[in-house]
Amino acid sequence: DAGITQSPRHKVTETGTPVTLRCHQTENHRYMYWYRQDPGHGLRLIHYSYGVKDTDKGEVSDGYSVSRSKTEDFLLTLESATSSQTSVYFCATAGQGYQETQYFGPGTRLLVL
Amino acid sequence: AQSVTQPDIHITVSEGASLELRCNYSYGATPYLFWYVQSPGQGLQLLLKYFSGDTLVQGIKGFEAEFKRSQSSFNLRKPSVHWSDAAEYFCAFRGLSYNNNDMRFGAGTRLTVKP
Repeated sequence: DAGITQSPRHKVTETGTPVTLRCHQTENHRYMYWYRQDPGHGLRLIHYSYGVKDTDKGEVSDGYSVSRSKTEDFLLTLESATSSQTSVYFCATAGQGYQETQYFGPGTRLLVL
Repeated sequence: AQSVTQPDIHITVSEGASLELRCNYSYGATPYLFWYVQSPGQGLQLLLKYFSGDTLVQGIKGFEAEFKRSQSSFNLRKPSVHWSDAAEYFCAFRGLSYNNNDMRFGAGTRLTVKP
């Protein structure tokens, strides 16, 4: 498995506060992804990065922003958390190439009160 | 629309029994196909993948999956289930995007194993 860590692993916050989740990888993978997992929906892509400072939106990007200032770190920010953003967030990485597989981190459980 | 359907939300099988988890996809071409497993509180672990070639794919932990183009299916099988297989299973596909940004996941099938 790719060396992917996420921090924090659990977080409780209040509506309206900013929240930043961090994904760190040691595999030097070019691509990084943020997903959210909700019951009945599987995983849905929030944002992804195809290189340092190169990011793009996914399927459910509203209310989220991302940054990638170096290869190993990909940050997900909720500028003003809402209860609808209560979810489990997964980071994934993939190397370059058509047949690369995505590898997932352990997840961050976020509760917005 | 591109989508993955896992018709069974929850399946219960007895330990030692065979298992088949169903997966159907909707995509305009033959996608790359995956099965992941998620144990409680854990991330997703890749079980197996299909890119091309032999339509019967072997994975880890004794799992296999068969790609059937005519049925747009990629069902996961195991001949004898172990208690440790209890988990949630996700079928996924991705298309031909070079950025690998078009993964689509099914809603998951939760597997319970009875002693």
